[in-house]
Parts: sequence; structure tokens; C-alpha cells
Amino acid sequence: KNQVEQSPQSLIILEGKNCTLQCNYTVSPFSNLRWYKQDTGRGPVSLTIMTFSENTKSNGRYTATLDADTKQSSLHITASQLSDSASYICVVSGLDSSNTGKLIFGQGTTLQVKP
Amino acid sequence: DVKVTQSSRYLVKRTGEKVFLECVQDMDHENMFWYRQDPGLGLRLIYFSYDVKMKEKGDIPEGYSVSREKKERFSLILESASTNQTSMYLCASSLSKALNYGYTFGSGTRLTVV
Repeated sequence: KNQVEQSPQSLIILEGKNCTLQCNYTVSPFSNLRWYKQDTGRGPVSLTIMTFSENTKSNGRYTATLDADTKQSSLHITASQLSDSASYICVVSGLDSSNTGKLIFGQGTTLQVKP
Repeated sequence: DVKVTQSSRYLVKRTGEKVFLECVQDMDHENMFWYRQDPGLGLRLIYFSYDVKMKEKGDIPEGYSVSREKKERFSLILESASTNQTSMYLCASSLSKALNYGYTFGSGTRLTVV
């Protein structure tokens, strides 16, 4: 069964600290993996998108890594800011039984950055 | 930047009412999607459309229908709202069926059915 598991479920860190969010997936065949940031009460906004041939992709203070062999991804946030407080969702693209592209969403990690 | 606009941020409806959620995108995207998002369940696909007047069921279509009369507009319809349809509804669009294209999400509509 295609699944995306994220950990931890929630995280509290102090402003200025770094943190790493994890995503493990069992989606096959795999096309790409995306990380989204979702502020409370808003829609998700794309941070990164990586295909199987990409190991690392950065977007400012956000760096995503992908290990397609172990089917793991991480999102590293450097020098956290209060505005980083949000839910971070890992999304993997795969194919369903009719070979139609499909997004499989993780349940998200809720990050709270405290001053 | 692509903009996906959902007509209402917050909506309160009574059980049994017919509810329309509207979504408009401004970048001529082929594909549009409706998701609902619930705590602990993540985003679940309700319906999607790859072309005008075309629709396909997602993972949880029961109790919903959709309409795509124009390319830029994708409507979600709750035929007879029920309390278990209280949720955050998110509309998304993407340029192409190809899996390497990004999705752009709207800001969401928080629907409460009382």
C-alpha cells in the first residue's frame, strides 16, 4: 500500500535553532517528492520538489534531502524563525492501479518555534 | 505566480443544505483538484478534473459532486450537507498531468455544518 509517514508528529524548538523533519515512504513507482509548508488556516505552499535523481535541494533556509534507495527524505530548517511555525507536509507522487499519477500525502509535522 | 482563489474562507451551513464551494485559477491550468483536510488524516482527494466538463472520483467522493463548465473554475457541491462534512476544503491546480509539475493550492475554505 502506498504510504507516506512523517516524524515527529510535532516539534517545539527555540528561535535560532536548527531542526530536521523526517519523511519515509513506500510509494512505488516513485516519481517525485515534495515538501509543503502550511500556515494555520491557509493552503499548503510548495517548498521543494525532487525527482529520484536529486539528492538535495535548497530553498533559502530550507534544505530537503532524498535517498531513493532507502525511501527516506528529510527537511532541514536552519536558524529557525518565528515565521517557520507551521505544518510541514511531505507529498510523494506515484501511480495508482490505473497508472494515473497520484499524490500521496503525509499527515504532516507541526513545528512551533518559540522566542 | 499562479493564483488559486477559493470564494470563501469560512462557511457555516445547516445540515441538509446544498453547499457550493467555488475555486478559480488564473493561469490556464489543465488540472484541478478538491481535497479535504482533517486532523490526523491529512489531505484526502475528493474529485479531480483534467479538462473542461471532465471529472473523476478521488478517494472519498461520497456525498460530493463537482462541476467544471469552464477551464478556470472548478466547483465542489455538497448535495445535502452533513455534520461529518465539517472540514477544511482545499482546491489545487496544476499545469499538466505529468507528475513533475507542481501543485498550487488555494487558501482553503473552513466549512462547518451544524
